[in-house]
Amino acid sequence: AQSVTQPDIHITVSEGASLELRCNYSYGATPYLFWYVQSPGQGLQLLLKYFSGDTLVQGIKGFEAEFKRSQSSFNLRKPSVHWSDAAEYFCAVGAGNTPLVFGKGTRLSVIA
Amino acid sequence: GAGVSQTPSNKVTEKGKYVELRCDPISGHTALYWYRQSLGQGPEFLIYFQGTGAADDSGLPNDRFFAVRPEGSVSTLKIQRTERGDSAVYLCASSLDFADTQYFGPGTRLTVL
Repeated sequence: AQSVTQPDIHITVSEGASLELRCNYSYGATPYLFWYVQSPGQGLQLLLKYFSGDTLVQGIKGFEAEFKRSQSSFNLRKPSVHWSDAAEYFCAVGAGNTPLVFGKGTRLSVIA
Repeated sequence: GAGVSQTPSNKVTEKGKYVELRCDPISGHTALYWYRQSLGQGPEFLIYFQGTGAADDSGLPNDRFFAVRPEGSVSTLKIQRTERGDSAVYLCASSLDFADTQYFGPGTRLTVL
């Protein structure tokens, strides 16, 4: 069965510091991979997605993610975090014929 | 253009009552999904429509849950005899086709007292 693991429940970083959020997946076929962000009281906003091709994917708001098949990982990175990045981040996996399976999320706090 | 909209944004009901939650997808999107997000969890799939038909309803927890999409656009999630465990945020998403990126609405927060 498909599954997504986000090992970090909560991460706190200083504004301007770099960020990496971890995501590991279990999937039988070539996966489609997504990162979504959810601010309090808001719906999920797509940050970036990987379907195929270049394993380093650029997204909105300065985020990027790298697909590593050998490690079954799709970690999200940002070189310099802004206070407005504080939110809940969800990694998700799917394929051409299955609904998305989400991780439990990582809550990001940003301190001055 | 307009995104996915969901009404109501909040719904408080009593145990045993019937509720309906509405989702308006992005215009032209043929695929529509319902997810449920409990506190501290990621969204969990409930049901998926391709056009008017439910292509996959394997995520519905039991027969108290039912969803329709009669004209291939707006969808309604219906919950009968609500239980306190049904309290969650119900999210709707739509996509151009099944394999395409899903765009989410703001959700309906359901509270069953």
